[in-house]
Amino acid sequence: ETGVTQSPTHLIKTRGQQVTLRCSSQSGHNTVSWYQQALGQGPQFIFQYYREEENGRGNFPPRFSGLQFPNYSSELNVNALELDDSALYLCASRPSNTGELFFGEGSRLTVL
Amino acid sequence: SQELEQSPQSLIVQEGKNLTINCTSSKTLYGLYWYKQKYGEGLIFLMMLQKGGEEKSHEKITAKLDEKKQQSSLHITASQPSHAGIYLCGAVLSGAGSYQLTFGKGTKLSVIP
Repeated sequence: ETGVTQSPTHLIKTRGQQVTLRCSSQSGHNTVSWYQQALGQGPQFIFQYYREEENGRGNFPPRFSGLQFPNYSSELNVNALELDDSALYLCASRPSNTGELFFGEGSRLTVL
Repeated sequence: SQELEQSPQSLIVQEGKNLTINCTSSKTLYGLYWYKQKYGEGLIFLMMLQKGGEEKSHEKITAKLDEKKQQSSLHITASQPSHAGIYLCGAVLSGAGSYQLTFGKGTKLSVIP
């Protein structure tokens, strides 16, 4: 039990649509980050939020955006979906007093 | 080329055998994380290493970070079917932001009863 909950678990969208994925962390987990994992690959860092401010971003275009809320929940938004966006999207959070990073079960996105 | 290399890519062992998975980088690793993943599921945190020469154990799994902080190994003693899955190493590389992990491609472990 990591205390990181993601929704939805699976979803199917068509090219050009927009999607919002959600993540809920435990109280005190001030840092949240999002990763994209394509089939057969390791997760790739999308961006990170600390106290509701983005403080790190990987090599992803601006159509990938996020929000972090005061209640330790966060969102990943992807606009203008492309076929290559099909992947498992993972949310991870870190307690404020350790360096350990805990992941949720992921949201599997399929773009047709 | 991959910034974090894992070897082997896949491993099939008989139950009860020991095994080692390696994770290597050409850059200094500032924080090395080991995770286990079942197919299509989330990552299960195993261990985090930060100091050169550090070694941690949990049940039958031991992870080490070398003195130069460029290589880590994960060793499983007396493997069981429950150890089967994909093992991923992730690390904060020099030049990256804090807690921004770069991952290897993973090592797929199968344990034959």
